[in-house]
Amino acid sequence: KNEVEQSPQNLTAQEGEFITINCSYSVGISALHWLQQHPGGGIVSLFMLSSGKKKHGRLIATINIQEKHSSLHITASHPRDSAVYICAVSQGNQFYFGTGTSLTVIP
Amino acid sequence: EAGVAQSPRYKIIEKRQSVAFWCNPISGHATLYWYQQILGQGPKLLIQFQNNGVVDDSQLPKDRFSAERLKGVDSTLKIQPAKLEDSAVYLCASSAQGASEQYFGPGTRLTVT
Repeated sequence: KNEVEQSPQNLTAQEGEFITINCSYSVGISALHWLQQHPGGGIVSLFMLSSGKKKHGRLIATINIQEKHSSLHITASHPRDSAVYICAVSQGNQFYFGTGTSLTVIP
Repeated sequence: EAGVAQSPRYKIIEKRQSVAFWCNPISGHATLYWYQQILGQGPKLLIQFQNNGVVDDSQLPKDRFSAERLKGVDSTLKIQPAKLEDSAVYLCASSAQGASEQYFGPGTRLTVT
């Protein structure tokens, strides 16, 4: 069993739709991370959070520590949001990664 | 601030050949990670350095993979000899000592034919 589970694995949406990606984890954590990976391979950190909710532009990340669950929301989705979104958790400097959610936003 | 640098960006080799990847972390970052990411999967940690010492190399296939960070700054990951299943993106990341946030390089896409 993976320490980090994501759903869905693949997601296709129409431009403008509200998108939710879910992440559950089974280990104690110091922080949870949402990462974005474009086809070129580079990974960009979107959020690092340990409680509550963070918002950056059209992206919102929430975490429920008691339930060991986090969600990433994208409002008013756009084709440029098409990427793989990876949930990761950290215990100090040790990281566990989910397998990613591949998002395609169709114009 | 310059990000994590990696080279080469792409490499194609035949099986049984050798290959080396280079990573230069963000200046001052004590922790350096090498990950292997096979298509459709999340990154898998190969080795983690704290300065020039190894913190975790439990998932590094030591019969063919080696890594070093001699001066505690840049690092080299080597595969010798390569196998077909080594085809993947090799990601380098760094973080400040004690910090949870990692910064990733652009990755090296390796194809073994």
